[in-house]
Amino acid sequence: DSGVTQTPKHLITATGQRVTLRCSPRSGDLSVYWYQQSLDQGLQFLIQYYNGEERAKGNILERFSAQQFPDLHSELNLSSLELGDSALYFCASSDRGFGEQFFGPGTRLTVL
Amino acid sequence: DQQVKQNSPSLSVQEGRISILNCDYTNSMFDYFLWYKKYPAEGPTFLISISSIKDKNEDGRFTVFLNKSAKHLSLHIVPSQPGDSAVYFCAASAYFNKFYFGSGTKLNVKP
Repeated sequence: DSGVTQTPKHLITATGQRVTLRCSPRSGDLSVYWYQQSLDQGLQFLIQYYNGEERAKGNILERFSAQQFPDLHSELNLSSLELGDSALYFCASSDRGFGEQFFGPGTRLTVL
Repeated sequence: DQQVKQNSPSLSVQEGRISILNCDYTNSMFDYFLWYKKYPAEGPTFLISISSIKDKNEDGRFTVFLNKSAKHLSLHIVPSQPGDSAVYFCAASAYFNKFYFGSGTKLNVKP
C-alpha cells in the first residue's frame, strides 16, 4: 500500500459526459502528479501540482483540468469525453516535488 | 514525441539468472532516471533511481547503469526470482520538471 488513494476505482460513462477523478496523496506529500495510461502504452504525464500550485504541464488536453486543494488532495476533471479517453488514470505523490513518486492504484475510465 | 524508449516489450529469463532491462532516451537534458515495477491492477512501485552524476547505483539485487554518452540506461536484476515477474518502466526527468516514462518491458521469470 503506497498510501496514495484514488477514487473511484472504476468509472463507466458515455461520450460527451464529464467526470471527476479524486486523489489523496500520502500524508505529508506536497506534490501530486497525474498520469494517463492507455492500452499497452506507457504512462503519459499530464500535470503536476506542488502545494496547491501548478508546477509542470505535460500532454494534457484542453478538455482536461486539474486542481490541488488546500488539504492537498487533487481532482482531475475530464469533460466532453471521447472514446479515446478510455484509459487508466494514475495519481502519484512525492514529498518534495522531485525524487521518487508513490503511485495510487489508478482509476479505470471506460467511455462508451 | 517519445523521449524515453523501451524497445523490448517483453523478456523471459530463468530463475536465478540475470535479467537485463534496457532503456534509451533522446533528451540530453535529462538528469534523473528511475525504474518502476508494476503488477497487474496496481500502481507502479518505485524500485531504484540514479542521478546523471553517477554511472551506477546498487540496491540489493537491483543495479542501474547509466551511459550518458550512449543515452542508455539498464536495470540488472541478479538473481532473478519469480516474484520479479512484472512490467518494468523506466522514467526520466530534467531538473525534476515533468517525468517521461517508457512504454514498459514485461519481465517473466520462469521457475
